[in-house]
Amino acid sequence: GAVVSQHPSRVICKSGTSVKIECRSLDFQATTMFWYRQFPKQSLMLMATSNEGSKATYEQGVEKDKFLINHASLTLSTLTVTSAHPEDSSFYICSGKQGIYGYTFGSGTRLTVV
Amino acid sequence: DAKTTQPPSMDCAEGRAANLPCNHSTISGNEYVYWYRQIHSQGPQYIIHGLKNNETNEMASLIITEDRKSSTLILPHATLRDTAVYYCIVRPTSGSARQLTFGSGTQLTVLP
Repeated sequence: GAVVSQHPSRVICKSGTSVKIECRSLDFQATTMFWYRQFPKQSLMLMATSNEGSKATYEQGVEKDKFLINHASLTLSTLTVTSAHPEDSSFYICSGKQGIYGYTFGSGTRLTVV
Repeated sequence: DAKTTQPPSMDCAEGRAANLPCNHSTISGNEYVYWYRQIHSQGPQYIIHGLKNNETNEMASLIITEDRKSSTLILPHATLRDTAVYYCIVRPTSGSARQLTFGSGTQLTVLP
């Protein structure tokens, strides 16, 4: 089946630094990639939607200059958390859309900002 | 997208069937019912989806009521590895690139 590879699985960074999270669709072309974040004991919240070759669409309340999304190819999308702060500590998950029905999720990235 | 309502938690004995209910009383005719699950600290995993007919695959069965206002996900022989949060999601499949919207889900705990 369709697989989305997400790296890194865990990252700890210092406050003020930037972190890049990669998602690759291994056996399908993801024209659309969704980025979610999940705080402890909460559900997944959509942050942004990216379409290959165009600018991402951000949900209300998500700072586009802080969470940079690049979807330069049909198999790779990246999320860069810039100038990270402790409140950005969360579980980040990407999801690639395949065809009409398929949504395949990455395994998630646990970000801890210290 | 139609709103869904699920019980916050359920327990099930290992080896028994787990029946997870979902209410989606405002579902529209073009909206599918999707089920995903999320094991702790992992990404969501697709289980099954359906429109109006009952569906079965190697993981589970999906029973949708005739009026489509509710559905039940059935794990026929639950194992400890089925312990997870189960999400029932309703959304149209019109070809548009719309996201899945997650509610709070049901925490299923399979007990030994």
